[in-house]
Amino acid sequence: DIQMTQSPASLSASLGETVTIECRASEDIYNGLAWYQQKPGKSPQLLIYNANSLHTGVPSRFSGSGSGTQYSLKINSLQSEDVASYFCQQYYNYPLTFGSGTKLEIK
Amino acid sequence: QVQLKESGPGLVQPSRTLSLTCTVSGFSLTSYGVSWVRQPPGKGLEWIAAIWSGGSTDYNSALKSRLSISRDTSKSQVLLKMNSLQTEDTAMYFCARFSSPYYFDYWGQGVMVTVSS
Repeated sequence: DIQMTQSPASLSASLGETVTIECRASEDIYNGLAWYQQKPGKSPQLLIYNANSLHTGVPSRFSGSGSGTQYSLKINSLQSEDVASYFCQQYYNYPLTFGSGTKLEIK
Repeated sequence: QVQLKESGPGLVQPSRTLSLTCTVSGFSLTSYGVSWVRQPPGKGLEWIAAIWSGGSTDYNSALKSRLSISRDTSKSQVLLKMNSLQTEDTAMYFCARFSSPYYFDYWGQGVMVTVSS
């Protein structure tokens, strides 16, 4: 199975700041990576697919980058509504696997 | 609009079989696949199983011996059965839509399943 190592586990930042969340795959996943946002008590919502493509309706302050085994999610100009947990998911190979998540809070 | 809604029992006894239903609207099961993903309380996400638009199925190998996924296109429903339930199967169970590539663009609200005697 492809292991997805996500960091940091938690993150605290101020409004307006830029934050970056990392995901490392245990082998090359050839950009087969998605990022999800999950607000407390809600289901995950797709943000990014194919490592760097923004899903319909997602604010442009979210962006994804990376290749090979290293990927990142960047959030510019942090807003209060961005408080959530964020998960990466690889879909290059079975079984589909997720990162352990990053909990983002506002300072 | 695209919607998915999970339904099933909230409480299941250990060793029994869990049956969950995902009812979809706003799209056809012959055009998109549906997967099940679960999340134990306070923990991360685990992919369980999927049924593709053509009807083929995929399972997480760690759970495969306990799982069955099927669909009823006339009712726009995807069914998941998991047998020999244990306490560690306690989780929120989500269904989610996918196509190719294999990411999930719409999710249901989830159904909480507690395994307890």
